[in-house]
Amino acid sequence: ETGVTQSPTHLIKTRGQQVTLRCSSQSGHNTVSWYQQALGQGPQFIFQYYREEENGRGNFPPRFSGLQFPNYSSELNVNALELDDSALYLCASSFGGSAQETQYFGPGTRLLVL
Amino acid sequence: QKEVEQNSGPLSVPEGAIASLNCTYSDRGSQSFFWYRQYSGKSPELIMFIYSNGDKEDGRFTAQLNKASQYVSLLIRDSQPSDSATYLCASRWGYKLSFGAGTTVTVRA
Repeated sequence: ETGVTQSPTHLIKTRGQQVTLRCSSQSGHNTVSWYQQALGQGPQFIFQYYREEENGRGNFPPRFSGLQFPNYSSELNVNALELDDSALYLCASSFGGSAQETQYFGPGTRLLVL
Repeated sequence: QKEVEQNSGPLSVPEGAIASLNCTYSDRGSQSFFWYRQYSGKSPELIMFIYSNGDKEDGRFTAQLNKASQYVSLLIRDSQPSDSATYLCASRWGYKLSFGAGTTVTVRA
């Protein structure tokens, strides 16, 4: 167990709806990264939050947005859901700023868009 | 060109054998490299990381890094049925982890 938690575990939405996924980071970690993993693929980097600021972003459209709170927990929001958004969404926490920064994953949220 | 490429699987090895997994990366600025294990339906679990050229051993696992060749490998010695999983290689540049598509390993009892 990594100490990283995510909610909900599963979610079913319809196209066009909006969804919010939540992540609590491991104690002592100040950085949360979000990934999308489609079936049979490796995780794709969405963005990272460090001390409540977006620290970097992957190749995802603006309808993917996020927040990090003072306790370092984080939310991922996806607007105008599309069928291709169906995937496993992973958050990973780490202690940012070290050369050997290591990310530990939560259990993930499986999203199905119909 | 994908940032991280892994040898295509699946890889089937008999119990007790050595499983060898390979990975290449395209960004010479990558700072550190990670191997994660992912069981079906679960999230990735960190096995080990390496950031210096050479070998790093942890129990039955050995990671090897060759920055000149932009190559990372993972050896699993004395493979066990519980090692059956998908293994993900990742490189880190700055804030970003880039993952390969994974290699699925099956250990035959």
